[in-house]
Amino acid sequence: DGGITQSPKYLFRKEGQNVTLSCEQNLNHDAMYWYRQDPGQGLRLIYYSQIVNDFQKGDIAEGYSVSREKKESFPLTVTSAQKNPTAFYLCASSTRTSGRTGELFFGEGSRLTVL
Amino acid sequence: AQRVTQPEKLLSVFKGAPVELKCNYSYSGSPELFWYVQYSRQRLQLLLRHISRESIKGFTADLNKGETSFHLKKPFAQEEDSAMYYCALTTSGTYKYIFGTGTRLKVLA
Repeated sequence: DGGITQSPKYLFRKEGQNVTLSCEQNLNHDAMYWYRQDPGQGLRLIYYSQIVNDFQKGDIAEGYSVSREKKESFPLTVTSAQKNPTAFYLCASSTRTSGRTGELFFGEGSRLTVL
Repeated sequence: AQRVTQPEKLLSVFKGAPVELKCNYSYSGSPELFWYVQYSRQRLQLLLRHISRESIKGFTADLNKGETSFHLKKPFAQEEDSAMYYCALTTSGTYKYIFGTGTRLKVLA
C-alpha cells in the first residue's frame, strides 16, 4: 500500500524533552516536507528536502531539526528550544514532472502535546 | 517572499448557492497555484491545479496574474463540499510549497 506513513499519531512530552516524529514514504518521491498545522494559521512550512542529504529551512524552522539520510525517510525532531511545540504536524512528499513540482501527498499527521 | 492570503476563515452558504473561496498570492516570478481540500477525518488532498485548467467535483479556479488571484468557484454548492480548503503556491525551479491559512466551507441544508 503506497503512501506516507507518520508515527506516532499521538505523542505526549514533558517540557524540556526532545521528541522525534517519523515520516516514511514508499512513493519514490524526491521531495519531502514538514508542516505545522494550527487552528487559524493554516499550514506553515518547517523544513523541506529536495534530495537526500540536503534540506532547507521553511518559515518556522526555529526549534526544529531534520535529517534526510534516506530517500524514504524524513524525521523531524522537536527540540526543547521550540517555545510552543503543542501542535498537529503533517508530513508530505512530492516529485517533479516536466520541470514542475507535482502534487503533495500527505500523511495522517502526528499530534504532539507538551505537558 | 512568497505569500498566500485567504481572507475568509469561514464561509457558510446554502445548498445550491454559488460558492467562491478567495485566494490571493504575492510572488514576482511565475507561480504554480493549487487548491487542496481536507474533508472531515481524511487526509489533506489535491483538489485542482491551475496548469490543468480542469473542473474537479464541479469546482474551477482561474489564475488571474493581473490581480494575483486564484479564486475557487462552484456554481451550485453541495453538502458534501463542506470541508477545509487551502490555497497553495509553489515556485518555478524549486520544491518550496507555501499554503494559505485556509477557509472552512460549510454548506447548509
